[in-house]
Amino acid sequence: DTGVSQDPRHKITKRGQNVTFRCDPISEHNRLYWYRQTLGQGPEFLTYFQNEAQLEKSRLLSDRFSAERPKGSFSTLEIQRTEQGDSAMYLCASSLTGVVDTQYFGPGTRLTVL
Amino acid sequence: GQQLNQSPQSMFIQEGEDVSMNCTSSSIFNTWLWYKQDPGEGPVLLIALYKAGELTSNGRLTAQFGITRKDSFLNISASIPSDVGIYFCAGQTLGGSQGNLIFGKGTKLSVKP
Repeated sequence: DTGVSQDPRHKITKRGQNVTFRCDPISEHNRLYWYRQTLGQGPEFLTYFQNEAQLEKSRLLSDRFSAERPKGSFSTLEIQRTEQGDSAMYLCASSLTGVVDTQYFGPGTRLTVL
Repeated sequence: GQQLNQSPQSMFIQEGEDVSMNCTSSSIFNTWLWYKQDPGEGPVLLIALYKAGELTSNGRLTAQFGITRKDSFLNISASIPSDVGIYFCAGQTLGGSQGNLIFGKGTKLSVKP
């Protein structure tokens, strides 16, 4: 399978704990995006990388959230001191820059904060 | 900020019916994309539109990029049970460091009881 992969698919944690998610993009894609989706809503942009550089961050990305893409391949999204409001589906997408920038999504990580 | 209005919010279909849904925006987009999402999964790309006025088909699906660049529609012809799911439109503005997608709230397709 050469699509975008995410790990884990599901995570249940207690309030106050830290969690980390991983995303592996399509291999030749240089852009990687993180989105968050809550029930009944469309995905909302969090941040994106071009190669290893983090180029844009949404206001949704509070100080408790940090994302990295150290070698320009896989990326991690960490949430520190989780809150119940962080419960959501976290989606990763990747694309190849060019004349167009079509994003392909992974299956997502469902986070539940108790 | 930019917002997309997607309608209808939900609809019921019978097998064989044609389906239409649309998205409008107060902002101009360079690209419109349509995705389908099944429960517990990520969005799957159906159709991508890159030019104003463009009409593109993918099997039974047809989508158009509005001439004003502020709207798009998706049609599904002769629906089948596996068309059930949530359909999202997404607009993209390119240029500079921007590239993130703005999504509508989705159109939920269900089967008529």
